[in-house]
Amino acid sequence: DAKTTQPPSMDCAEGRAANLPCNHSTISGNEYVYWYRQIHSQGPQYIIHGLKNNETNEMASLIITEDRKSSTLILPHATLRDTAVYYCIVRVEGNNRLAFGKGNQVVVIP
Amino acid sequence: NAGVMQNPRHLVRRRGQEARLRCSPMKGHSHVYWYRQLPEEGLKFMVYLQKENIIDESGMPKERFSAEFPKEGPSILRIQQVVRGDSAAYFCASSPAGRQGNQPQHFGDGTRLSIL
Repeated sequence: DAKTTQPPSMDCAEGRAANLPCNHSTISGNEYVYWYRQIHSQGPQYIIHGLKNNETNEMASLIITEDRKSSTLILPHATLRDTAVYYCIVRVEGNNRLAFGKGNQVVVIP
Repeated sequence: NAGVMQNPRHLVRRRGQEARLRCSPMKGHSHVYWYRQLPEEGLKFMVYLQKENIIDESGMPKERFSAEFPKEGPSILRIQQVVRGDSAAYFCASSPAGRQGNQPQHFGDGTRLSIL
């Protein structure tokens, strides 16, 4: 699977949109971009995934650049409960595993 | 709709004992995955199972670890003769059948194994 690069940490203001970047410059055409988050002592929580098009669900939006080499996860109105480690993962079609890196420790500040 | 259920949440064993971790997938899911998270590290894939079949065990340690997903009942991750280095959080995930690249895995809240 293609490697991803995320900032190790970032702060976000409560009530504002949080934009979480991810670089995946070696992504292949059949690789999906997945986002998970892990709140302390809990299991990873699935957020969203996409292949080429931008995606939106009740939790977040995923913006994938046209060349697919980077993406941004947008939490529209960050709350204190959004404080977590966020993982951007690239997963090839047919691959069973998710390769978790170190993630981005996001802290939402009041 | 119940999510992935893991039990026990916490398990304490002495060195040399056996540990059995259970995972019931989400309703309608036939694929189960096990991951391990060592302290201060990210999750690492261990094994992928479908009912009565091990599909990919490339992440499993060669000795003492085994996994099964019987026709009836939960998936079991079994660790024999545990050692201190087995102390970790073990997470199970499940997904429905279909093209796996496009099927999210949904995780349980894990079993925290502590070895005395």
